[in-house]
This record gives sequence, structure tokens and C-alpha cells, in this order.
Amino acid sequence: NAGVMQNPRHLVRRRGQEARLRCSPMKGHSHVYWYRQLPEEGLKFMVYLQKENIIDESGMPKERFSAEFPKEGPSILRIQQVVRGDSAAYFCASSPVGGSTYEQYFGPGTRLTVT
Amino acid sequence: GQNIDQPTEMTATEGAIVQINCTYQTSGFNGLFWYQQHAGEAPTFLSYNVLDGLEEKGRFSSFLSRSKGYSYLLLKELQMKDSASYLCAVSYQTGANNLFFGTGTRLTVIP
Repeated sequence: NAGVMQNPRHLVRRRGQEARLRCSPMKGHSHVYWYRQLPEEGLKFMVYLQKENIIDESGMPKERFSAEFPKEGPSILRIQQVVRGDSAAYFCASSPVGGSTYEQYFGPGTRLTVT
Repeated sequence: GQNIDQPTEMTATEGAIVQINCTYQTSGFNGLFWYQQHAGEAPTFLSYNVLDGLEEKGRFSSFLSRSKGYSYLLLKELQMKDSASYLCAVSYQTGANNLFFGTGTRLTVIP
């Protein structure tokens, strides 16, 4: 049973470009969470999605960031017009059941570097 | 915020026991998780506590005191491979579905 898959593992973008980060949850999991980890800081929640629905986006910046989890295919975190401050590791996690009392399984992360 | 606090760094000797503490805001508490994260890798689940007491799982144990807003992760018979960051994460009964993470404790195991 493959774990949570994320790609790319490393992504370099110039300021102003768009970054697309992909996450395929574990088989049988329909709940996806995105977290951001800045250097020397803890993981910060961004958004929680189920298939075709954004359930909680309270941690998403209001501008430039969006997320989706279509009926078919991976979840996508999209960052438009990237800035240097967006450089971070972005982790996706999935769970079989929703709600924060259930264990979340994390992917290996995408390390975004904005030059 | 949720004021989840844990020490930034700890060092311990191979074969020894180390205790990593975590304190958190108690209002609305709904459960506490410990994760291990090696440098450049994904966090991996270690333990979950929602009731007071000690949960033991092999060399690792986790303790919770709900009234004190306090947990610790106990690692016994330390091995070099235990060098990693240990993340304390809390869920709250706010209707939110996310975890709130501390900054992590970077543990270095020395020979």
C-alpha cells in the first residue's frame, strides 16, 4: 500500500511564476490536508479538503494561494506570482476519516525555493 | 494562538532515556499527537493521547495530563537513528479539522 505521494519533491521558481504542488493521498483516504513548514518553524495548517470540497481553508493566505481536490486525480496546491517568502516545505497529509482526532499520514513534502 | 511549547533542542547519549516535554493551551483540547521527523523527510506518527495517563509502545511512551496541559514523550534505550525532530501536535474542539504543531524538539543522540 503506497503512502502519500507528493511531487515534485523539489521545485525552483523565479519570483512572479506559478508553483503547482501535487498530492496523491493513501489508497482509501478521501481527506487531504496541506501544511507549510518554514525554516526553523513548526508545521502550519493551510487547508483541509475532501473530494471536490474545501472544508476548512482558515490557514490559507487570502491571496495567490488556492487548493483543489478533484473527483479524479491528485490534490493540487497552487501558488500564483510566487515571492521569496513562499520558500518553504509544503507537506500534504491524508486520513481515512475526517476530523482532527484521527492520525494523519504525511507525504515526503515538496521543497519550494523561490529565487 | 494555541501556545504549544516544547524545547528547541536536546542532546542525549546512546542507550540512555530522554524525556521531551510539551505544554499546550487546555481550552477546547481534543487530543495530542507525537510525530517524528528526520531531516528532509515526512513526519511519521508515533503516538496519540486523549485520556490522562501513559501510553507505551515499545521503546517509546507518551504521557498526558489534561488538567495541566502537559504531555511528554519518553524514549528509552536511545539509538543513533533516534536523532530527529519530535513534533507535538494538538487538536482542538473548535470544529476545525487541523492539527496545531509546536516548533519541534531537535534531538541529537551522541555515542
